[in-house]
Amino acid sequence: GAVVSQHPSRVICKSGTSVKIECRSLDFQATTMFWYRQFPKKSLMLMATSNEGSKATYEQGVEKDKFLINHASLTLSTLTVTSAHPEDSSFYICSASQTGQGYNQPQHFGDGTRLSIL
Amino acid sequence: AQSVAQPEDQVNVAEGNPLTVKCTYSVSGNPYLFWYVQYPNRGLQFLLKYITGDNLVKGSYGFEAEFNKSQTSFHLKKPSALVSDSALYFCAVRDSRRGGGNKLTFGTGTQLKVEL
Repeated sequence: GAVVSQHPSRVICKSGTSVKIECRSLDFQATTMFWYRQFPKKSLMLMATSNEGSKATYEQGVEKDKFLINHASLTLSTLTVTSAHPEDSSFYICSASQTGQGYNQPQHFGDGTRLSIL
Repeated sequence: AQSVAQPEDQVNVAEGNPLTVKCTYSVSGNPYLFWYVQYPNRGLQFLLKYITGDNLVKGSYGFEAEFNKSQTSFHLKKPSALVSDSALYFCAVRDSRRGGGNKLTFGTGTQLKVEL
């Protein structure tokens, strides 16, 4: 149980393109989802907390207009990298917390999206 | 504020030997502590957690971790390492108080390499 599906797994596109990444909780409802960015051999950097039916909460230094987050249902959150540039190339990972469970429960992670901007 | 330190970038162990991956934390309230493992180009897999109770926590794949409140540590251990345990390991902490939100704070990760 507690499976999170992230799609696509890899994207290669030209500079200036907007890219949408989907994060789905397959067998549970997730009021809250999280978006992370991971640089090579580095830890995860939390970009934003996605809340179903409301605006996402962005971490300091993360551009809201650059990284658009939508959490329209209890099982789907999307991250859109707008007008992507080579410096946006990274590994993006989402995670989800099951609705109704307390803070003592683990987050469930997707398999990540490797974004490469040419 | 909450923080996690993983002092070792890499740990090398021979197969069959015990392994330890170190983690220390800092939170204002009581900690919820987690260990995750990441294989190349994959997301994180949950290994184990400490919430309360017994200081020795057992998790997946034979891993265990010991919570030490006085040393604010939560080291990951395994009695006998396997080559397949080679991966990137992350320690994470969350403050048990609800005011801080549901965010996890991760350490910088420790690359475990198990050799024959």
